[in-house]
Amino acid sequence: DQQVKQNSPSLSVQEGRISILNCDYTNSMFDYFLWYKKYPAEGPTFLISISSIKDKNEDGRFTVFLNKSAKHLSLHIVPSQPGDSAVYFCAALRGSNYQLIWGAGTKLIIKP
Amino acid sequence: DGGITQSPKYLFRKEGQNVTLSCEQNLNHDAMYWYRQDPGQGLRLIYYSQIVNDFQKGDIAEGYSVSREKKESFPLTVTSAQKNPTAFYLCASSRGGEITEAFFGQGTRLTVV
Repeated sequence: DQQVKQNSPSLSVQEGRISILNCDYTNSMFDYFLWYKKYPAEGPTFLISISSIKDKNEDGRFTVFLNKSAKHLSLHIVPSQPGDSAVYFCAALRGSNYQLIWGAGTKLIIKP
Repeated sequence: DGGITQSPKYLFRKEGQNVTLSCEQNLNHDAMYWYRQDPGQGLRLIYYSQIVNDFQKGDIAEGYSVSREKKESFPLTVTSAQKNPTAFYLCASSRGGEITEAFFGQGTRLTVV
């Protein structure tokens, strides 16, 4: 039972263009969502988050949008840079018991 | 220079042997976590600890054991009872109550042959 789904295993984007990574969830009780970035052979690093009471959060080139009615969130990266090539994980916080529910990840490839 | 360190990076063990993965942090974080990552799947929580001498089972705790005798250390033992131990294991830590910004180690790839 995958409560957090990232349906695109990979995404290829031209350098300078916008990258849009998508994430769907099934549990309406999630109250916080996060995006992590992971390079090969390294642990994930926190990128950006959004509370369920908001519909947008922006940090530099990264913007996360939340559509609660559709149970969908997306991460926009603009402009995309070669260093953005990595695996991006979407995660949702379930209650207050320290548990994050993770998506399977999307591999983003930025083409020169 | 603060951080979270996992060792070793690669580990090979024979089937039926217990193996312990190390995780140390010098960030003064109260909470620590162990996750497992399999190909095509998200991270799954094995165990977590909010405070020294206390830990809780995550979603896939069977076949694993942990201890939290020191704030800095949260070792994970993969026992022979774990049916599919070959995986990438990630340790993380966070300030108490702030799982939202956990710091991760570089991971240990365990291969059981």
